[in-house]
Amino acid sequence: DIVLTQAPLSVSVTPGESASISCRSSKSLLSSKGITSLYWYLQKPGKSPQLLIYRMSNLASGVPDRFSGSGSETDFTLKISKVETEDVGVYYCAQFLEYPLTFGSGTKLEIK
Amino acid sequence: QVQLKESGPGLVQPSETLSLTCTVSGFSLTSYSVSWVRQPSGKGPEWMGRMWYDGDTAYNSALKSRLSISRDTSKNQVFLKMNSLQTDDTGTYYCTRVATGLDYWGQGVMVTVSS
Repeated sequence: DIVLTQAPLSVSVTPGESASISCRSSKSLLSSKGITSLYWYLQKPGKSPQLLIYRMSNLASGVPDRFSGSGSETDFTLKISKVETEDVGVYYCAQFLEYPLTFGSGTKLEIK
Repeated sequence: QVQLKESGPGLVQPSETLSLTCTVSGFSLTSYSVSWVRQPSGKGPEWMGRMWYDGDTAYNSALKSRLSISRDTSKNQVFLKMNSLQTDDTGTYYCTRVATGLDYWGQGVMVTVSS
């Protein structure tokens, strides 16, 4: 199975500042079709996960452009610029390149 | 709009079988696949399996021997059955639509395995 390792475990951010979350894959997530199958989710407290970024760098519908995704074949970054209080929760990366689909262990974002 | 809703028992006895239903609206099960994902409290999500739009299925090999996913397209429902439940199967179970990733999720159903 593909293992996704996230860092840091938690991050505390002042509103208006930026935050970055890292995700490293045990295997290249670049498919033969040239698509990088790395996704980012946010799970707000008591809620279901919601899709933020698909295929490494594409913003999901309705997601503010404060969120952005980047990376290579195995190393990925989610950046949140100008963090707002509504951004609190746990962020997960996930790979959909091959079965079983797997998720990282999560990064908790808190507001200072 | 797209909606998914899980239903099923909140409490299951050890060694018994879990049966969950996912009722969808706003899209067709013959056009989109549906996955089941579970999440133990305080831990990351675990993908369990998928019902493809053409009726085929795929399972997490770690659960394959205990898991079965089926559907009734006339009722817009996808079903999960997992047998031989143990305490570490406790968690929240979600059904999700598969498009560009898992784009819509149900609210989840909390399942506790306990005697």
